[in-house]
This record gives sequence, structure tokens and C-alpha cells, in this order.
Amino acid sequence: NAGVTQTPKFRILKIGQSMTLQCAQDMNHNYMYWYRQDPGMGLKLIYYSVGAGITDKGEVPNGYNVSRSTTEDFPLRLELAAPSQTSVYFCASSYAALVLSGRGRNEQFFGPGTRLTVL
Amino acid sequence: DAKTTQPPSMDCAEGRAANLPCNHSTISGNEYVYWYRQIHSQGPQYIIHGLKNNETNEMASLIITEDRKSSTLILPHATLRDTAVYYCIVRDANAGGTSYGKLTFGQGTILTVHP
Repeated sequence: NAGVTQTPKFRILKIGQSMTLQCAQDMNHNYMYWYRQDPGMGLKLIYYSVGAGITDKGEVPNGYNVSRSTTEDFPLRLELAAPSQTSVYFCASSYAALVLSGRGRNEQFFGPGTRLTVL
Repeated sequence: DAKTTQPPSMDCAEGRAANLPCNHSTISGNEYVYWYRQIHSQGPQYIIHGLKNNETNEMASLIITEDRKSSTLILPHATLRDTAVYYCIVRDANAGGTSYGKLTFGQGTILTVHP
């Protein structure tokens, strides 16, 4: 298994440009997440999805959009890039049955991240 | 989810045990303690989790106090590769509905293992 993959690894955008960060997982996980991490800070949840066709906002959704047309893919869209969106973006996934079992196991598998700079 | 408090940084000699504390004094009965770590520039990695009993796996041990208000992650024989930011996270075991398995990351503890 490749696990969680993210592309691109690095990207520089100009203010106002748009782009899509790609995320894919091959573990048949239902739950997928997008986080951002600013320098020296912990991760903050942007959006999440509990299955194909179902998405919802996390803590910091403004300026982003997501879609989930398949179990495997969960792309994150930036429509009008702003300097405040300069960050490292991590995608993660987890296995719904374990999460919902109430046994507490919520191992999230993270991708390697995309480092985005908006100038 | 309950808030956690961790020291911002700790040092450990290679080969010695690293004991990372976490305070979660407002933890409720339905909340688990999770530990993740993040090695420089990589995505976070799950280490271990527990409810009230001590837990051990191939990576670490987790000691939870009887009142569950604090816990300690133990790396029994730290190596240079264990240098990372360690996050203690408390979350509800009822991971369906509005909880959706969310993890709330604080700033963690920067553990530096030196030769």
C-alpha cells in the first residue's frame, strides 16, 4: 500500500491564483481530513469527509473548498490564494469502523504534506 | 474535547528513557488519551492511545494516573531518530456524529535526543 499520497510537494502561488491540492489513499478508509500547519504551531482542521459525497467544515474552512467523489480521493481547492494561506497542508485518513466502534482507536494516517507559499 | 498542557521542550540522552508528561485535568470519563509525533517536515504519526489502563506497544508505553488527570509517554530507549514534536491529544471515544474522529492538535513538546 502507498498509504496517503499528496501532490504537489511544494508550490508557490501568486495572490489571487487558484490551485488544487491532491490527496489519495489506497487503504479503503472512509474518513478523510485536511489540516494546515503554520510555522511553530499545531495542526488545524480545514475540512473533513466521512464518505464519498459527504463533506463538512472543520475549524478553519474559509478560503477553501473540497469534494469527495470517490472513497480514494479528497482534493482541496484554493480559489483566490492569499498570503494567509501560506502553510503546510496535510491530508489524513482513518478507518470508519474503528472510529465508530467506540473502542477509541482513531489512528489517522497522514500524508507527507504540501508546502504552499503565496506571494 | 478536553484541553491538554505539555512542556514546550525536553532533552534526553540517547539510550535513556524519555518521559513526556501531559496534563489533562478536565478530561471526562468518555475521553481517550492519544499520542502522536511529528518528525521534522513529515506528517504526524500515531504512537499509542489509552483510556485508563497503562498501555504498551512496540513504540512506547503510556502511563495514565488513577484520576486520569495526567499521563506520561515513555520512550524506553530513546534514539536520535526519536527527535520530534510529541502531541498529547484527548478526544471523545464516541467518534460518530459531530465528533467525526477529529483530532485537535496543540503545540506539543519538542523532544531533542542528543548523543
